[in-house]
Amino acid sequence: DGGITQSPKYLFRKEGQNVTLSCEQNLNHDAMYWYRQDPGQGLRLIYYSQIVNDFQKGDIAEGYSVSREKKESFPLTVTSAQKNPTAFYLCASRAAVVPYEQYFGPGTRLTVT
Amino acid sequence: AQKVTQAQTEISVVEKEDVTLDCVYETRDTTYYLFWYKQPPSGELVFLIRRNSFDEQNEISGRYSWNFQKSTSSFNFTITASQVVDSAVYFCALSEDDTGNQFYFGTGTSLTVIP
Repeated sequence: DGGITQSPKYLFRKEGQNVTLSCEQNLNHDAMYWYRQDPGQGLRLIYYSQIVNDFQKGDIAEGYSVSREKKESFPLTVTSAQKNPTAFYLCASRAAVVPYEQYFGPGTRLTVT
Repeated sequence: AQKVTQAQTEISVVEKEDVTLDCVYETRDTTYYLFWYKQPPSGELVFLIRRNSFDEQNEISGRYSWNFQKSTSSFNFTITASQVVDSAVYFCALSEDDTGNQFYFGTGTSLTVIP
C-alpha cells in the first residue's frame, strides 16, 4: 500500500542529544514537509522540500536540520540547540500537480527529558 | 495575524446530533485552496476535502457537508447525525501558494461525540 511511514512512534531522549526522525514515502510525491504540533497550537511548519537535494526553512526551523538525498526520504534531525523539542512531529508529502492536498504520516512523539 | 481561525476550541455533542465546525480564513489572493483534515486520537491527519477559490459549490459526502462562502471568508464543516467515531480534532487549512507549499493550519477544533 502507498503511504508515508514515520518511525518510531514514540521516542525518548536525554537533553543535549541530537535525534533523527525518519520519514519515508512511496507515493512518488515530489514535495515533503515536517510539522511540529503542540497542544492547542495547530501545526507549525519546520522545513519543506520540493525536490531532491533542495529544502527550505519553514516558520520554526531553528534547532532543526533536514536532508533530502532521495525522493522517498526526508529525515529530520532535532538538535540540542532546539530549546523545547518535546512535541509531536508530523511528516507530510504532496504531489507536484493538482490536487494540492498534503498526505500525512502517523507522526512521532518525541519526549526529551 | 491568523490566516485561518477556528474559534471553537472544543465541542461536545450527543450522538446523532448535527454539529458545525467553523473556519474563517484571511487572504488577499484570488486563487487559493481550502482544506479540512481530521486527526483521530491515533494522531495521523486524514485529508477530508479540498476546495479551490473558484468553486463555491457546497459539497456533500455522506454525513459530511461543507459550506464555502467567499463573501464571509468561511469554509464551515457540518457533520450530520454525529457518531462516536467522529470524535477527533478537525483542522481547517489554507494554501495561497500556487505550488501548494505554504499551508496555514487553524488551531483545530476538538469534537467529542458522547454516546
